[in-house]
Amino acid sequence: GQQLNQSPQSMFIQEGEDVSMNCTSSSIFNTWLWYKQEPGEGPVLLIALYKAGELTSNGRLTAQFGITRKDSFLNISASIPSDVGIYFCAGQRNTGNQFYFGTGTSLTVIP
Amino acid sequence: DAGVTQSPTHLIKTRGQHVTLRCSPISGHKSVSWYQQVLGQGPQFIFQYYEKEERGRGNFPDRFSARQFPNYSSELNVNALLLGDSALYLCASSLGAHGTEAFFGQGTRLTVV
Repeated sequence: GQQLNQSPQSMFIQEGEDVSMNCTSSSIFNTWLWYKQEPGEGPVLLIALYKAGELTSNGRLTAQFGITRKDSFLNISASIPSDVGIYFCAGQRNTGNQFYFGTGTSLTVIP
Repeated sequence: DAGVTQSPTHLIKTRGQHVTLRCSPISGHKSVSWYQQVLGQGPQFIFQYYEKEERGRGNFPDRFSARQFPNYSSELNVNALLLGDSALYLCASSLGAHGTEAFFGQGTRLTVV
């Protein structure tokens, strides 16, 4: 089935640095969601995007819905140790109800 | 407010057995979706139910079935378990059927031996 490509696959950064990751698809989506998942837990919703070009913030997190509707970006500013986890993007098409998930970006923050 | 609750949290089954997983959505949410997450991958869509009707089905064999009850809780059933069914099974709750945020439970970790 449809798989969204996330990059980078993994990141090792120093505490305080900013982080950027993106998600691309060959299909157009009308909803983008960003999740964070920690070991043994379910994904936790971070940000939801509903409109092409939309830029939405949640604290130190900012996400954008790409103009082409085939991509989305997530930025984390001034990273802290508790930002560690795997970040997933998820997209939903105009037709159908399922969310397609990305391959994940694993983030490690070094204190 | 209670979030999405799933039970059990962990389960070990033998090949060939069947399993039933349960999910209670967030109060007021009428849509429940099920996802399978194999280690190292993103969740894969199995089913969506809205107002007790199936609204979507992913690319999974007929051994997988689900239903939604009048109180909007849901069950996922898997028959004739295979080793490859070992995964984290996630339930997601949404207010509406389409285009709304999906909130996940903590998942059920199924191990088939």
